[in-house]
Amino acid sequence: GAGVSQTPSNKVTEKGKYVELRCDPISGHTALYWYRQSLGQGPEFLIYFQGTGAADDSGLPNDRFFAVRPEGSVSTLKIQRTERGDSAVYLCASSLAGGDEQYFGPGTRLTVT
Amino acid sequence: EDQVTQSPEALRLQEGESSSLNCSYTVSGLRGLFWYRQDPGKGPEFLFTLYSAGEEKEKERLKATLTKKESFLHITAPKPEDSATYLCAVQAAGYSTLTFGKGTMLLVSP
Repeated sequence: GAGVSQTPSNKVTEKGKYVELRCDPISGHTALYWYRQSLGQGPEFLIYFQGTGAADDSGLPNDRFFAVRPEGSVSTLKIQRTERGDSAVYLCASSLAGGDEQYFGPGTRLTVT
Repeated sequence: EDQVTQSPEALRLQEGESSSLNCSYTVSGLRGLFWYRQDPGKGPEFLFTLYSAGEEKEKERLKATLTKKESFLHITAPKPEDSATYLCAVQAAGYSTLTFGKGTMLLVSP
């Protein structure tokens, strides 16, 4: 079956601009997670959704980052006033329920110039 | 704070040369320990979940084991296609999110 998909695969933006990253989870998965991975590092947790609500947003670095999942399926990660330090690969994962094994998408590589 | 330390950072093996990767962890109550494989430019691919000390799981040339303080990923007679970064992550009791280590980059030469 179809895995987790993420769009775009690459995004280059200028410092100060607004970006949206999209994640389409595996059908039927109620839990959705966003992680960020910098070069040479493991993924770092950002936010976790159970259904439509954010169950844990403790990993969001500051209030420039925001994520939504309005219908309990597709999620969008939104970054305002981008900074060069936001450059990383943004990974999305989904699981059947919270706590189950997570399946990752291919990621969106964000470059802020 | 949950912590995961993986060693070595990089490992180079000849084809057929067995070895082990280490994942040491501290967590306030372990719900699960996860191993993932990540190829360059791709997202992590799920391999195993281990839940309790003494548990072992196998898949082809890979075997994962778990103690109360660490996990090992044993690679038996590796092939070049096993070359990848192997990530270890822990999930604390009562939580659904994962805390990852930095990974071990494995290169298997023919």
